Amino acid sequence: AQKITQTQPGMFVQEKEAVTLDCTYDTSDPSYGLFWYKQPSSGEMIFLIYQGSYDQQNATEGRYSLNFQKARKSANLVISASQLGDSAMYFCAMREVYSGAGSYQLTFGKGTKLSVIP
Amino acid sequence: NAGVTQTPKFRILKIGQSMTLQCTQDMNHNYMYWYRQDPGMGLKLIYYSVGAGITDKGEVPNGYNVSRSTTEDFPLRLELAAPSQTSVYFCASSYTLAGGPVYEQYFGPGTRLTVT
Repeated sequence: AQKITQTQPGMFVQEKEAVTLDCTYDTSDPSYGLFWYKQPSSGEMIFLIYQGSYDQQNATEGRYSLNFQKARKSANLVISASQLGDSAMYFCAMREVYSGAGSYQLTFGKGTKLSVIP
Repeated sequence: NAGVTQTPKFRILKIGQSMTLQCTQDMNHNYMYWYRQDPGMGLKLIYYSVGAGITDKGEVPNGYNVSRSTTEDFPLRLELAAPSQTSVYFCASSYTLAGGPVYEQYFGPGTRLTVT
């Protein structure tokens, strides 16, 4: 079974509008972390935001917020006031504390390509 | 502070050739990782290291080897390159304490490798 599922291969959003990128995850670990990374066309991976499984409040970082619904196992990324520079691939990733065999590796989804329209 | 650096940026190999992808971090991170990213896919873990002298396999280790003689360096070796190894390779590092706070992984710029 997929550990991280991103169901939107591509999304379009008008500049200055808000957009939500979906991410659902599957784990039996009681302790895990969820990350979002941005990959522009230049190829580098840029960390955006982190949510811990025990965090009571949704994470926010500037224009990025994470809509964490633990019971539904979803961790959607919300980008407010979209900018042209937000056009990129966005990856959701999970780090499991106990199932990761000590690697603390990130397990990635397949990504969502966001295009911001002027 | 350069972060995570990788060389080369691009490389074309012939089938059966070997090469080493270099990765260096200057953040004194204990954990280092090698991932590969195939077209249209997320990243998959090849190998990781929890500290100098300690390495272990990830999800897709076949055809690769690693070593970690220092905290800073974590080279990835490809022996007998195959077309299936055509991919973008990312090195990453993080500071991780078992049971401690979670810190993000910092990624290098990637190496685009083509095997023909």
